[in-house]
Amino acid sequence: GAGVSQSPRYKVAKRGQDVALRCDPISGHVSLFWYQQALGQGPEFLTYFQNEAQLDKSGLPSDRFFAERPEGSVSTLKIQRTQQEDSAVYLCASSSQTSGAHETQYFGPGTRLLVL
Amino acid sequence: KNQVEQSPQSLIILEGKNCTLQCNYTVSPFSNLRWYKQDTGRGPVSLTIMTFSENTKSNGRYTATLDADTKQSSLHITASQLSDSASYICVVTRGQGGKLIFGQGTELSVKP
Repeated sequence: GAGVSQSPRYKVAKRGQDVALRCDPISGHVSLFWYQQALGQGPEFLTYFQNEAQLDKSGLPSDRFFAERPEGSVSTLKIQRTQQEDSAVYLCASSSQTSGAHETQYFGPGTRLLVL
Repeated sequence: KNQVEQSPQSLIILEGKNCTLQCNYTVSPFSNLRWYKQDTGRGPVSLTIMTFSENTKSNGRYTATLDADTKQSSLHITASQLSDSASYICVVTRGQGGKLIFGQGTELSVKP
């Protein structure tokens, strides 16, 4: 069966450019998470969706970051006016139930963003 | 502050040897602790999960331990293989809401 997929896998952007990163979760998964992983670091939480509702966006670093999941399946993370410090791998994960301590999150391969 | 610290930062071992990776955490309230394996260019994959009452969990050649009193965990890899080369990330779930707190990972390289 298909796992979590993300596109593009690599993105090079000029500083100031807007980018959109796509996540296709496992079919039927209720919960969807976005993480940012800097080079040599563990992932850090950005935002969480339960179906189409964005229940937690406390990890978004600035108002340049915006995420949506309008139909409760595919999600898009948009970064406006990209800065060099936005360079990182952006990971998407999904889980089958509402977010809970014992739910396993399944991760996609990530989108590696490089801002020049 | 809720933190997860791992050591060593990187490790090189010869194929067939054993190794142990360490994790210390200060996350509260604690729900569970997972070890993830992240291959280069891939997303993390869960290896083990342990709750407060469990002190050891095995998955093939991987054995994780948890000491909830000292807030320490270890991941032991037996008879390492070249395919074990990856980053191993210790992850603590905070509270019942499922928020994951990640360590920075240990980069393991297994050489022939």
